[in-house]
Amino acid sequence: EAQVTQNPRYLITVTGKKLTVTCSQNMNHEYMSWYRQDPGLGLRQIYYSMNVEVTDKGDVPEGYKVSRKEKRNFPLILESPSPNQTSLYFCASSLMSLPSHEQYFGPGTRLTVT
Amino acid sequence: TQLLEQSPQFLSIQEGENLTVYCNSSSVFSSLQWYRQEPGEGPVLLVTVVTGGEVKKLKRLTFQFGDARKDSSLHITAAQPGDTGLYLCAGPNQAGTALIFGKGTTLSVSS
Repeated sequence: EAQVTQNPRYLITVTGKKLTVTCSQNMNHEYMSWYRQDPGLGLRQIYYSMNVEVTDKGDVPEGYKVSRKEKRNFPLILESPSPNQTSLYFCASSLMSLPSHEQYFGPGTRLTVT
Repeated sequence: TQLLEQSPQFLSIQEGENLTVYCNSSSVFSSLQWYRQEPGEGPVLLVTVVTGGEVKKLKRLTFQFGDARKDSSLHITAAQPGDTGLYLCAGPNQAGTALIFGKGTTLSVSS
């Protein structure tokens, strides 16, 4: 089944404790992206990747890191999480490097930082 | 800055009613997409509109792209409880590197 998977689905952590949210797609997609979704603010892009080893900042990259060593995986790293990073996170992928193509979203990761 | 504004923000209707959701911008978009998101899940693409004036139908859902490609609408005929969810419009930024999302319309259809 074609899908985007994220792990974990739920995470409660404390300020400053490094964490990684994994994202994997099995559709051989070139483009991958991370979004956060907050009430009243909608979906905002954190980072994106056009292809392997090619990553760039989105609209809200502060406090986040990403890597794209393999085509299928695009982990999101929070080196020192803070409470303002409490949010619902989505990974997405699309076939081509242009976002006008259909984006397939993962199921989301709900992160709480205390 | 490209922005997409959706209205209304919330909509609560009875089964069988018709409704329209709007997505407006002051910027021209090369295309617009509509997604539906259900609780606990990621958004799922419903349709992409590309040509100004384009109308696409998906069963009881009708999507229209404005002639000037600055706005779009989603019309649902005879809404059903299964239509309940968050409806999001999205368009590519000028650089073609990201999707810009509207804040969404939360639709609740009760039987």
